[in-house]
Amino acid sequence: DTGVSQDPRHKITKRGQNVTFRCDPISEHNRLYWYRQTLGQGPEFLTYFQNEAQLEKSRLLSDRFSAERPKGSFSTLEIQRTEQGDSAMYLCASSLAGASYEQYFGPGTRLTVT
Amino acid sequence: GNSVTQMEGPVTLSEEAFLTINCTYTATGYPSLFWYVQYPGEGLQLLLKATKADDKGSNKGFEATYRKETTSFHLEKGSVQVSDSAVYFCALLHYGGSQGNLIFGKGTKLSVKP
Repeated sequence: DTGVSQDPRHKITKRGQNVTFRCDPISEHNRLYWYRQTLGQGPEFLTYFQNEAQLEKSRLLSDRFSAERPKGSFSTLEIQRTEQGDSAMYLCASSLAGASYEQYFGPGTRLTVT
Repeated sequence: GNSVTQMEGPVTLSEEAFLTINCTYTATGYPSLFWYVQYPGEGLQLLLKATKADDKGSNKGFEATYRKETTSFHLEKGSVQVSDSAVYFCALLHYGGSQGNLIFGKGTKLSVKP
């Protein structure tokens, strides 16, 4: 297994455009998490899935954000009508359901909104 | 609410110096505590963990002890190497209603000079 992968690694977009990121977790992991990290800050939780069910969403996840995990494997995070404040590193992590303390992180997608 | 406070960086040390990075937390109940490390250009990696009071987590020469009485989880290493240069994040995992999302501190950048 090659670990958690994310695509793209970098994305530059203009304000108002929509963007979509993809995360492929470790294959046997049934939990998948999205975090956001801004410069000089630690990661902040956005949402998580167990299999295909989205079980929790943070207050940070405004209605412009939507996440899916349709078959319980990879996940997508879409941001509609991007704003400059959305510029951040978006991190994906995965774990086994009984081992949330062992979250394995991907390299992240760096979003720049101009 | 739950939160993590860690010492601000950057921290610059000479090789073989002793390292301490302070971390304190606020949480109801008994969270699990972690140190994650982010090497330049790489994703977050779990460095060590402790799941109950007085537990000591250790890995790669780093240690941290879960101190319930002082709500602390300070990271220490007796002799740092240039290869330890990275950003270190203290985090807690509180199972409460959130089912296991990590709460991170802001991170402390460590630079080790030869």
